[in-house]
Amino acid sequence: DAMVIQNPRYQVTQFGKPVTLSCSQTLNHNVMYWYQQKSSQAPKLLFHYYDKDFNNEADTPDNFQSRRPNTSFCFLDIRSPGLGDAAMYLCATRLDSVLAGVDEQFFGPGTRLTVL
Amino acid sequence: GENVEQHPSTLSVQEGDSAVIKCTYSDSASNYFPWYKQELGKRPQLIIDIRSNVGEKKDQRIAVTLNKTAKHFSLHITETQPEDSAVYFCAARPVFYNQGGKLIFGQGTELSVKP
Repeated sequence: DAMVIQNPRYQVTQFGKPVTLSCSQTLNHNVMYWYQQKSSQAPKLLFHYYDKDFNNEADTPDNFQSRRPNTSFCFLDIRSPGLGDAAMYLCATRLDSVLAGVDEQFFGPGTRLTVL
Repeated sequence: GENVEQHPSTLSVQEGDSAVIKCTYSDSASNYFPWYKQELGKRPQLIIDIRSNVGEKKDQRIAVTLNKTAKHFSLHITETQPEDSAVYFCAARPVFYNQGGKLIFGQGTELSVKP
């Protein structure tokens, strides 16, 4: 059963046209992450949510925004995609708990974004 | 800032041989070190991890060793098989980011196992 789901799996957008990527999870994990991964490179953390607390990486462009309306869902909004934003976008989740904290980050299958 | 260096960037071995990938980290307070395997076009998958209070961990053909003094950790794959071919990423979790669990990734190693 899929635990971290990303939609769509492939997204094509035009230069400058806003796009939203979706991530949902059935694990009830309190931490959710968004990564950008370009070809042959390591995943690069854009931001993460610890419960409802949003944590932005210092070098994440303002063009990238995120929303987490509830525990299960998290969205990545790219306000004005440029050619350099073409990449795989990975969502990951983790359970952080004093009682049963888990180290592992569970990754979704990713959304491949193409910018024309 | 925190940094993880990974070597080599590419590694080619014959089926049945062993493969070793090495990583060094900069933050001596890092407390968690996972290894991910990523096949082309797929998600990273955790293959093994180790916490800072353990020096070595093994899972069948895969093992990880940690040297906290030298601030480096290594992935060892024995009896390699063609299906081990993939990109492998090491990562470290600086303790400052313990709550959020941020990982600092290495640059990746492309492993090719030739039949």
